[in-house]
Amino acid sequence: GENVEQHPSTLSVQEGDSAVIKCTYSDSASNYFPWYKQELGKGPQLIIDIRSNVGEKKDQRIAVTLNKTAKHFSLHITETQPEDSAVYFCAASRYNTDKLIFGTGTRLQVFP
Amino acid sequence: ETGVTQSPTHLIKTRGQQVTLRCSSQSGHNTVSWYQQALGQGPQFIFQYYREEENGRGNFPPRFSGLQFPNYSSELNVNALELDDSALYLCASSLASGTDTQYFGPGTRLTVL
Repeated sequence: GENVEQHPSTLSVQEGDSAVIKCTYSDSASNYFPWYKQELGKGPQLIIDIRSNVGEKKDQRIAVTLNKTAKHFSLHITETQPEDSAVYFCAASRYNTDKLIFGTGTRLQVFP
Repeated sequence: ETGVTQSPTHLIKTRGQQVTLRCSSQSGHNTVSWYQQALGQGPQFIFQYYREEENGRGNFPPRFSGLQFPNYSSELNVNALELDDSALYLCASSLASGTDTQYFGPGTRLTVL
């Protein structure tokens, strides 16, 4: 069935360092790949998304890359700050309003 | 523009009871999706409603049911609650045929004792 694997499950970095989270999806028909940040007690908040016709997208300190052939996509956060600490989820779907298949999450801790 | 809201925030029920959770979609959105997020896990898709009709369902039993109203708000009903139903229930709204993504509400934390 449809599946998204996410690694690592936990990630600790020093403030100012970069953080990379990787995901692999199984459904070849997936065309939309959002990333969500979830803080304690809150719902997931979209931070960036990418569609299959684009290989890379950047928004300030956050970037996402997509390798559709290998079914891999990654989140890159540069110059991390303590407020980046949260759980990050990748997801995949066939289009932007279709059901989202989520990864298992990565708990990112940024130490000052 | 108002965001997605959900009520109640927290709920405690006992096994066998029934529960109704509510979601108000973001202004202008006509599609609502419901997800179940167990502790330490990613959200799992329950079902989606578009123009008051179910528009896709995940791997959840029939005791999970829903409604969407003409104003696009939605309800999730769960009958015969089981201990494993304890989770954070999230709704997400979106605009069908739009280019925008799905926006999540803060969730309802359900505890089944």
